[in-house]
Amino acid sequence: QVQLVQSGAEVKKPGASVKVSCKASGYTFTSYFMHWVRQAPGQGLEWMAIINPSGGSTTYAQKFQGRVTLTRDTSTSTVYMELSSLRSEDTAVYYCARTWNDDAFDIWGQGTMVTVSS
Amino acid sequence: EIVMTQSPATLSVSPGERATLSCRASQSVSSNLAWYQQKNGQAPRLLIYGASTRATGIPATFSGSGSGTEFTLTISSLQSEDFAVYYCQQYNNWPRTFGQGTKVEIK
Repeated sequence: QVQLVQSGAEVKKPGASVKVSCKASGYTFTSYFMHWVRQAPGQGLEWMAIINPSGGSTTYAQKFQGRVTLTRDTSTSTVYMELSSLRSEDTAVYYCARTWNDDAFDIWGQGTMVTVSS
Repeated sequence: EIVMTQSPATLSVSPGERATLSCRASQSVSSNLAWYQQKNGQAPRLLIYGASTRATGIPATFSGSGSGTEFTLTISSLQSEDFAVYYCQQYNNWPRTFGQGTKVEIK
């Protein structure tokens, strides 16, 4: 079945970086875009970035420009999200989610909790 | 950036009753509007896309309507598993933006 499986929870200190993975299965990896969306505790959903797994092109939300980097490995059907210069406000659950072109998020990963604390 | 505003923030409904959730966009998003359901500790699940098309496996008790700036999600007869938080999201413009959510709770 179609699924996105993310890496496990992370605890990081302020100023550090975190890299979260999202492994796709059950469909043609390069046929769908992959996004990252985060959710702070008790808060709503915030779109961060998108990657085209086919060519590797990316677009980042202005808020995260310079701090977030998306990469992909087509040999393992995995997308990576790296967020640097972490601060306490980055404590959140990070989700990967796929779209067919400019469409809605039809499949979501299970989420990865990232905690930033000294 | 398009701001999505949902109302009400919380909706108290008895099982079997109808629930109507609203979503307003700060500018037109055409029909590029989706609704998601999120339960505690779970990832969001796509319910509706294209403002009114149910996603695969979504029961007919869920329906969406609207276009432009005003949208509605209706749950015709609430079941116990429908009590959750619902988000609208526009995918007409970048960045993609979500509403702040409507919590549907048991009355």
